[in-house]
Amino acid sequence: NAGVMQNPRHLVRRRGQEARLRCSPMKGHSHVYWYRQLPEEGLKFMVYLQKENIIDESGMPKERFSAEFPKEGPSILRIQQVVRGDSAAYFCASSPPGQGGGAFFGQGTRLTVV
Amino acid sequence: GENVEQHPSTLSVQEGDSAVIKCTYSDSASNYFPWYKQELGKGPQLIIDIRSNVGEKKDQRIAVTLNKTAKHFSLHITETQPEDSAVYFCAAKDSNYQLIWGAGTKLIIKP
Repeated sequence: NAGVMQNPRHLVRRRGQEARLRCSPMKGHSHVYWYRQLPEEGLKFMVYLQKENIIDESGMPKERFSAEFPKEGPSILRIQQVVRGDSAAYFCASSPPGQGGGAFFGQGTRLTVV
Repeated sequence: GENVEQHPSTLSVQEGDSAVIKCTYSDSASNYFPWYKQELGKGPQLIIDIRSNVGEKKDQRIAVTLNKTAKHFSLHITETQPEDSAVYFCAAKDSNYQLIWGAGTKLIIKP
């Protein structure tokens, strides 16, 4: 059973370009969380999704950021027109449905905007 | 909604001593409490968890205790080793199945 897979591991984008970060949850997991982490800081919640539904996007900036978790395929975090301040590590976690399961994290995507 | 507070933000202990990290939560409906360890450059890793029908759980040198009445839970690491140095996060799963996180504790093991 493969763990949570994130790709790419490292992504370099020029200012104004788009960044697409992918997350394949663990098998059987229908809940996905995206987090952002700056160096020496904690995890900042961005968005919580279940299959085809955004449950909570209160941590996501209103502009330029969007997330989806389609019925088939990975969850995608999309950042349009990136700026230097978007440079960070973005982590995805998945958990099984219901209350009982813990979340398992991917290795993260390190986005650098130049 | 749920709110999780974690203390201390930094903890420095001598190798071989014990370390205790504490978290409090606000939503009495929360009933799942995991702990994560994050090493530099890596994603957080689940190290131990506890459900609300249990008061204590142990796994070798790591233990977690839960006091539902007081709404707090703690991570205990005994006989600390250099490889225990990392950032530790607590979390609580609220009634919407969402994980709410503590701010993290940087644990430093002094040789």
